[in-house]
Amino acid sequence: QITLKESGPTLVKPTQTLTLTCTLSGFSLSTSGVGVGWIRQPPGKALEWLALIYWNDDKRYSPSLKSRLTITKDTSKNEVVLTMTNMDPVDTVTYYCAHIGFSTTGWYAFDIWGQGTMVTVSS
Amino acid sequence: QSALTQPASVSGSPGQSITISCTGTSSDVGGYNYVSWYQQHPGKAPKLMIYEVSNRPSGVSNRFSGSKSGNTASLTISGLQADDEADYYCSSYTSSSTLVFGGGTKLTVL
Repeated sequence: QITLKESGPTLVKPTQTLTLTCTLSGFSLSTSGVGVGWIRQPPGKALEWLALIYWNDDKRYSPSLKSRLTITKDTSKNEVVLTMTNMDPVDTVTYYCAHIGFSTTGWYAFDIWGQGTMVTVSS
Repeated sequence: QSALTQPASVSGSPGQSITISCTGTSSDVGGYNYVSWYQQHPGKAPKLMIYEVSNRPSGVSNRFSGSKSGNTASLTISGLQADDEADYYCSSYTSSSTLVFGGGTKLTVL
């Protein structure tokens, strides 16, 4: 059974760097055709795609946030890490990580999602 | 890249069919068959309902169907049920090798 779980601080100060970890279970990012993405959602608002990393270390970033984002994977720990620099109160949202499996639902659809983690940016 | 355009809300009565549109450009929706649809109930994570325009993942009811014409994709839900009441989001691959979501549509089952 594939599951993903987000973890990280619930509160960060403005200008700080946020580091979020997505712990993978039931699959490995060393397997061909697998990817993990990050998506965020302000309270009561729409989903926003942030970043994506594939098993072959191919990385994609949202153009509007690219300068602030870094996505990495640690296959030995079965984790994907997203860092976002220069946090601002507008970055107070729920962050989700999600699985992509080419063999089941293609290259660009998130078929399994984590439960999400809420991050508040405040001094 | 701009968010894909969806109607803010749609509604229908139980048993009826509704369609939610998702309009983009030739650089995203119109250029690729990589449109996905997600259902999100309040306080829950999104659930994939349609991928690659019209394919249903295993376990998703065949009451949900997807299509595309030009730069607009559509999600149709037939035989509306109370549990279909949720927010729905489309997403698409783009010519920049990135992804973009729509603004979301709130479905109300009357």
